[in-house]
Amino acid sequence: AQSVTQLDSHVSVSEGTPVLLRCNYSSSYSPSLFWYVQHPNKGLQLLLKYTSAATLVKGINGFEAEFKKSETSFHLTKPSAHMSDAAEYFCVVINDRGSTLGRLYFGRGTQLTVWP
Amino acid sequence: DSGVTQTPKHLITATGQRVTLRCSPRSGDLSVYWYQQSLDQGLQFLIQYYNGEERAKGNILERFSAQQFPDLHSELNLSSLELGDSALYFCASSPTPTGTDTQYFGPGTRLTVL
Repeated sequence: AQSVTQLDSHVSVSEGTPVLLRCNYSSSYSPSLFWYVQHPNKGLQLLLKYTSAATLVKGINGFEAEFKKSETSFHLTKPSAHMSDAAEYFCVVINDRGSTLGRLYFGRGTQLTVWP
Repeated sequence: DSGVTQTPKHLITATGQRVTLRCSPRSGDLSVYWYQQSLDQGLQFLIQYYNGEERAKGNILERFSAQQFPDLHSELNLSSLELGDSALYFCASSPTPTGTDTQYFGPGTRLTVL
């Protein structure tokens, strides 16, 4: 079975400090993993995706994530937070085979607050 | 702008009613996915269509149905509405049926059932 656990429902940081949003996954197969961001009253935007190439994935707006199979983790990081990063972030796992091929499994989301 | 459009943006209706949500995928995308986002359930996959045919089913209630038309737009029909159906409904599209490529999300339709 596939599932995603986002370890923090809320994260608060000061502008200019590093961001760490944690995600652990469970997958029966080789997973593809994504991070999406949702700004208030907006749809979801893809930040980055891992599809079994390089384990360190760079995304938009300075975000990156590292796939660690041994830890079943895919944590999202950014060296320096910006006010515009305040949003909700979703870690997503997708099956690449089986009866639920293509189905996205979403974490519950992490709300990131950035203080000036 | 993802290229996926959804109408209407907001919908307010009463319990027991029926509504239709519409989604137009990105140009060239053959797959359409529907998702429901609610406070208690989070984001849930409802159903996927690929080139007019149902491809995968998720946590979709029997009161809900969807279809994809020859021009590839899709409609999600919600009937016998209950208060608990109030949610944000997203559609997403991708080029292939597998869904392992990026899914591009529309802005959503916010449904309020009174």
